[in-house]
Amino acid sequence: EDKVVQSPLSLVVHEGDTVTLNCSYEVTNFRSLLWYKQEKKAPTFLFMLTSSGIEKKSGRLSSILDKKELFSILNITATQTGDSAIYLCAGYNTDKLIFGTGTRLQVFP
Amino acid sequence: ETGVTQSPTHLIKTRGQQVTLRCSSQSGHNTVSWYQQALGQGPQFIFQYYREEENGRGNFPPRFSGLQFPNYSSELNVNALELDDSALYLCASSLSAPDTQYFGPGTRLTVL
Repeated sequence: EDKVVQSPLSLVVHEGDTVTLNCSYEVTNFRSLLWYKQEKKAPTFLFMLTSSGIEKKSGRLSSILDKKELFSILNITATQTGDSAIYLCAGYNTDKLIFGTGTRLQVFP
Repeated sequence: ETGVTQSPTHLIKTRGQQVTLRCSSQSGHNTVSWYQQALGQGPQFIFQYYREEENGRGNFPPRFSGLQFPNYSSELNVNALELDDSALYLCASSLSAPDTQYFGPGTRLTVL
């Protein structure tokens, strides 16, 4: 059965810290790995990764995929209180996203 | 904001009733997917519509049904509501079936 596992489930840090969120996956007909940020309701798209070893960056956020070991990491440097959210990782096969349960990140001033 | 809209925002129903949720996809997107997100969980895939045809279905019973219209907007219908159907229902649209999915704000359904 397809599954995506995220760790840690919860993380509490202070502003300025760097965090690493982990995502491992077992997805048949795997095509890509996506990261989303969910604050209130709608998950907002962060990254889509299809190739191993190529880092994607957007400001303080970066992500990389390892298709051999079946995992991805999301790094956030110099965290801010606005980074507080649930971060969802999802494996994409031919027609659907298979989500993990998410990592809840809380950033305190 | 993604341009994906959903209505209504909130809904309260009682067990056994039926509900229809609506989604307007982002302009130019022909694929709509629906997800159910229970509290504390990641979204679970319900089904996907591509050019008005069902393109894939998750492990949900037949009382969950859907529709996609020629303008690519979509409906999710749930019959014989159960307490466990209480969740956030998310709609996501994409340019085509395998592309990045962009989510709407969701409909919070409460079944009493």
